[in-house]
Amino acid sequence: EVQLVESGGDLVQPGGSLRLSCAASGITLSSYWMHWVRQAPGKGLVWVSRVNGDGTSTTYADSVKGRFSISRDNAKNTVYLQMNSLRAEDTAVYYCARQNKYGNDYWGQGTLVTVSS
Amino acid sequence: QSALTQPPSVSGSPGQSVTISCIGTSSDVGSYDRVSWYQQPPDTAPKLMIYEVNNRPSGVPDRFSGSKSGNTASLTISGLQAEDEADYYCSSYTSSGTYVFGTGTKVTVL
Repeated sequence: EVQLVESGGDLVQPGGSLRLSCAASGITLSSYWMHWVRQAPGKGLVWVSRVNGDGTSTTYADSVKGRFSISRDNAKNTVYLQMNSLRAEDTAVYYCARQNKYGNDYWGQGTLVTVSS
Repeated sequence: QSALTQPPSVSGSPGQSVTISCIGTSSDVGSYDRVSWYQQPPDTAPKLMIYEVNNRPSGVPDRFSGSKSGNTASLTISGLQAEDEADYYCSSYTSSGTYVFGTGTKVTVL
């Protein structure tokens, strides 16, 4: 069975940091671009970032550029999102997703990040 | 990057067809055939329904179809069924090398 499992979500104070992980089983991620997408409570999907198969190319939404960093460890079949200088508006469920051709075909169940004092 | 524009809601009776529009710009939808559509029932992760404008992944019913004209992409659900009730989002690659999602549309089966 194919699974993407996110972890690392937590309650954090404004200005704090968190690292999210996305571990895959049943599929090998190394050949694929991987994305992070977030969804604030009751709101729509928002694209955050993506990384290519070997980790040498990354792209970010303007809203997180300079604060978030995406990376991957293909030996562990895991993708990461390092989030620094967190703001209240970063509060959301964060999903990782695999890009296959030009669509995200596998998604995790999401991990909740809450930024609040 | 502004979100692509979708109608907040559409509805139809079982068996009818509904179409969801996704309006972008010449920097995203209008320039690339890299439009995808996702279905998201409440409290679940999104599911890919259409990729590259009009391609269905394995397992997606052929009642779902996609198209594009200029800066506007569309998702049509033919033969609407109760199980189709969910939120739907479009997404497009952009000229900045990023991606953008639509504002989302709630589909209600009457």
